Amino acid sequence: QKEVEQDPGPLSVPEGAIVSLNCTYSNSAFQYFMWYRQYSRKGPELLMYTYSSGNKEDGRFTAQVDKSSKYISLFIRDSQPSDSATYLCAMSDSGNTGKLIFGQGTTLQVKP
Amino acid sequence: GAVVSQHPSRVICKSGTSVKIECRSLDFQATTMFWYRQFPKQSLMLMATSNEGSKATYEQGVEKDKFLINHASLTLSTLTVTSAHPEDSSFYICSAPPKTGGQPQHFGDGTRLSIL
Repeated sequence: QKEVEQDPGPLSVPEGAIVSLNCTYSNSAFQYFMWYRQYSRKGPELLMYTYSSGNKEDGRFTAQVDKSSKYISLFIRDSQPSDSATYLCAMSDSGNTGKLIFGQGTTLQVKP
Repeated sequence: GAVVSQHPSRVICKSGTSVKIECRSLDFQATTMFWYRQFPKQSLMLMATSNEGSKATYEQGVEKDKFLINHASLTLSTLTVTSAHPEDSSFYICSAPPKTGGQPQHFGDGTRLSIL
């Protein structure tokens, strides 16, 4: 069993839709949770960062962490064609060592 | 703007060649940097942790003699793929923690390596 599970998709939605992406994990020591967006042939770009449990909102993006269920989510409101990319969840058990464990990534396509 | 710069972005070379990839932290010092490898349609796999002033820490299964890492200064880490073969073709990405350390990491734009 992988430490972090993420459905690879692909996920296709119409423009304006609300997108829900999620990851589950098995290591209860994870405390740092991140969502990255990766366009083809580019490095991952940080979207959201959450420490421990709770919600965080930034513009059209909302990140949720439920440590009791070992489940994290990213919601994208009013999705745009420019949101079409691969979304990677990543997590770490320690801010000091910095080692990240990534999910497989979900490919999202937003159709005009 | 970018906080981590990676160079080159693309390399195509013959089998047996050694290839050096540079990762620089911009405007901040990074005592630790990380090197990842990504195959098509797959996630990032951590290869090694680059430590300024000391040896790199390699993940299990990564050949340290094949992938040489040198953290020469507080703003530069290099990955050298020695005697590269077609199976080394991949997307290599580096990252660095923020100025204050810890999370979240910022990533370079990656290097696409193709060995013919």
